[in-house]
Amino acid sequence: DQQVKQNSPSLSVQEGRISILNCDYTNSMFDYFLWYKKYPAEGPTFLISISSIKDKNEDGRFTVFLNKSAKHLSLHIVPSQPGDSAVYFCAASVSGTASKLTFGTGTRLQVTL
Amino acid sequence: NAGVMQNPRHLVRRRGQEARLRCSPMKGHSHVYWYRQLPEEGLKFMVYLQKENIIDESGMPKERFSAEFPKEGPSILRIQQVVRGDSAAYFCASSPLPGLAGTSNTGELFFGEGSRLTVL
Repeated sequence: DQQVKQNSPSLSVQEGRISILNCDYTNSMFDYFLWYKKYPAEGPTFLISISSIKDKNEDGRFTVFLNKSAKHLSLHIVPSQPGDSAVYFCAASVSGTASKLTFGTGTRLQVTL
Repeated sequence: NAGVMQNPRHLVRRRGQEARLRCSPMKGHSHVYWYRQLPEEGLKFMVYLQKENIIDESGMPKERFSAEFPKEGPSILRIQQVVRGDSAAYFCASSPLPGLAGTSNTGELFFGEGSRLTVL
């Protein structure tokens, strides 16, 4: 039972354009969402997060949008850069569960020149 | 600026052998988490430990797998009698704080580079 879904396994975007990565979840108890970025042979690194009390959080080129009614969140990267090429994981958790994150299967982003 | 340290980075075992994976959390972090990533899948939670205590092992297979985080030394994930299906990347993460009941503070996790287990 995949509670966090990233339905696009891969995405290719030109440098300078916007990258939009999507994530859907089924567990209505989730109230905190995170995006992690992972390069090959490395561990995931935290990118940005959002609490369910918000619908948008922005950090530089990265913005996460949350639509609670649709159980959907998205990560926008603008402008995209070649160094953004990586696998992006969406993760979710329930407050009070001690950082037990449920991850999606990841989306591989390729930013082309 | 030492991050989460995992070793070995790569481990090859034959079926039936034991695998031990070690994790030293970031300095000042007392909460350790183990995740497993099978090929082409996302990371799956296995276990959450504090010093000398297992807090949540709901993601651990019932047999052959165990984890500890002793008072001194690294956290150890132990897999006995390995099978081919255990081949995966095992990631350790640490955080300074757990999620607190009633708040949205889940505590961002800091991951190590992973230990890749191959079972022949």
